[in-house]
Amino acid sequence: AQTVTQSQPEMSVQEAETVTLSCTYDTSESDYYLFWYKQPPSRQMILVIRQEAYKQQNATENRFSVNFQKAAKSFSLKISDSQLGDAAMYFCAYRRIIQGAQKLVFGQGTRLTINP
Amino acid sequence: DTEVTQTPKHLVMGMTNKKSLKCEQHMGHRAMYWYKQKAKKPPELMFVYSYEKLSINESVPSRFSPECPNSSLLNLHLHALQPEDSALYLCASSQVYRDRGSGELFFGEGSRLTVL
Repeated sequence: AQTVTQSQPEMSVQEAETVTLSCTYDTSESDYYLFWYKQPPSRQMILVIRQEAYKQQNATENRFSVNFQKAAKSFSLKISDSQLGDAAMYFCAYRRIIQGAQKLVFGQGTRLTINP
Repeated sequence: DTEVTQTPKHLVMGMTNKKSLKCEQHMGHRAMYWYKQKAKKPPELMFVYSYEKLSINESVPSRFSPECPNSSLLNLHLHALQPEDSALYLCASSQVYRDRGSGELFFGEGSRLTVL
């Protein structure tokens, strides 16, 4: 069974600085997707960035980028130029396809605080 | 329209009540999901519907009864709940995939349920 581990329950960063959130996972599959979702106080889960395992190039979305190390099964999220609106709970997730539907296996989450 | 709309946003019910949570999307997605999220925990998958048919039931107690009346609507009927069922219930939708596909889950803002 796939498992996802986020070892940092809480992180804080100064506004405009850079922060890295860690995520490791365990799987025996060779092709899969990994996601980072954020959940602000509004409660809605919002996709931040995705990575397909067979692509070696690390995904980037504006200020958000990942460091994907497939052999080490590591998938960290880097947030550059942190903004107050980045404050949220961040979940790393591994995706499986079961009967055409997506099953996300989430890590325990990292609560990110942005200090002004 | 990239929204998943959930009603009600808040619900308080007694253990003998019958109530329903509703979810609606108009993105043409044919997979819809119910997740349960306890405080400070990641979401846990409950049910998945693909093409209006129940495809995944994660061994959820029968006091939770899902229904997918059409491709845009998903209901969760609640009956004889326990106080430990108090949680945030998230609805999500996505495309249906055979093998892969990079599409994301789109989440609603959730229904906060309190069982007295």
